[in-house]
Order: sequence, then C-alpha cells, then structure tokens
Amino acid sequence: AQKVTQAQTEISVVEKEDVTLDCVYETRDTTYYLFWYKQPPSGELVFLIRRNSFDEQNEISGRYSWNFQKSTSSFNFTITASQVVDSAVYFCALSEQAAGNKLTFGGGTRVLVKP
Amino acid sequence: ETGVTQTPRHLVMGMTNKKSLKCEQHLGHNAMYWYKQSAKKPLELMFVYSLEERVENNSVPSRFSPECPNSSHLFLHLHTLQPEDSALYLCASSQDSGNTEAFFGQGTRLTVV
Repeated sequence: AQKVTQAQTEISVVEKEDVTLDCVYETRDTTYYLFWYKQPPSGELVFLIRRNSFDEQNEISGRYSWNFQKSTSSFNFTITASQVVDSAVYFCALSEQAAGNKLTFGGGTRVLVKP
Repeated sequence: ETGVTQTPRHLVMGMTNKKSLKCEQHLGHNAMYWYKQSAKKPLELMFVYSLEERVENNSVPSRFSPECPNSSHLFLHLHTLQPEDSALYLCASSQDSGNTEAFFGQGTRLTVV
C-alpha cells in the first residue's frame, strides 16, 4: 500500500530564510509519480510539481527547488528566501502507475513566514 | 475565471437534511474527483470519474452519492450526514485519469449540526 509521510506539521521562519519541507513515501510500484501542492488560506490546492520515478534530476523553479532521492524514498521541497506569501500548508502526494490518478497525500506541513 | 469552481463555499446542514455540492471545471478535462479534507486526517480520495463513468469508490458511505452528468460537472449529493462528516470537500479535475496533475477547486466547507 502506498503511504506518504510529512513529519513536520508546522514550520515557522522569518522572511528571507530558507525552509525545507520533508517528504518520505512508500510504494511497491516501480513506476510512480510524486507531487507537491500548496494550499493557501483560500482553500484550493495549487499544483507545484510532478515528477515520475525514473527522473531523479533535481528541479529548480524560481525560489522553489525539489530534491528527489530514490535511495531514501524522499522528495524534499525547499523554498529559498521565503516570503510572507509563501505562508500556506504544503502537501506531498504520490500516485502509482497501476492505480491511475489516485493521489495519496501526506498530512501536510504548515509553513508560517513572519515578516 | 478559475479552472475548477465549487459551490457553495460554505454549507451548514442538519443531520436530516439533503443537500448537494456542485463542481464545474472549465479546463476540458476528462477526469474529475471528490476529496475529503478533515481536521484529523490527511486528504482522502472519495470518488473518481473518468469520461463520466465512476471508476473508483473509495469505501465511501452511501450517505454520499456522486453524480457526473457530463465531463464538466460533478455533484456530491448528501443525505442523513453525521457530525463527523464535517470537513472541507475538494473537487479536482485532470486531463485524464492516468497520473497527470490534478487541478483543485477552493472547496466547500461543510458543517453538519
């Protein structure tokens, strides 16, 4: 069975600090997909990134970067030079190839960026 | 205009009421989903529709009844709910049901009294 663990429930930082969110997953499928979503106070989940299990290249998008380590089953997310607008709950999620687009979510990490 | 729109945003209902949640997507997607987000559990997948056919019912009680009349609309009919059903109900859509990214609505905050 698939499982996603986000051990950090809440992280508080001061603006301009970097913050790294941990995500550890479990799956028996060899082909799977990992996602990160942001949930601001307005409620909707905003898609940030999707990676497949065969692509371990790290990715950078502006102030966001992701570190996929298959050896440790981790897909960590770093926000560089955090801003107040980054305050939100961030969810890591997994879907298995065989199961189609059924996302299993972690419990989420609330990030609070203080000015 | 947002891609996925849910109405109402907030709903308070009694345990004997019948109500419906509505979701509409303007993205031309073929798959739609209902998720439940409650305070004490991770986001849970409830239902999956692909090309208007239900392809997944994730052991959801029958007091929740989904309906997908076309690829742009998804409903969740509610009846005789319990207080523990109070949660944020999120609708999502994706191009297809094969591991593509899902786009979410803002959710309906449901309170059962």
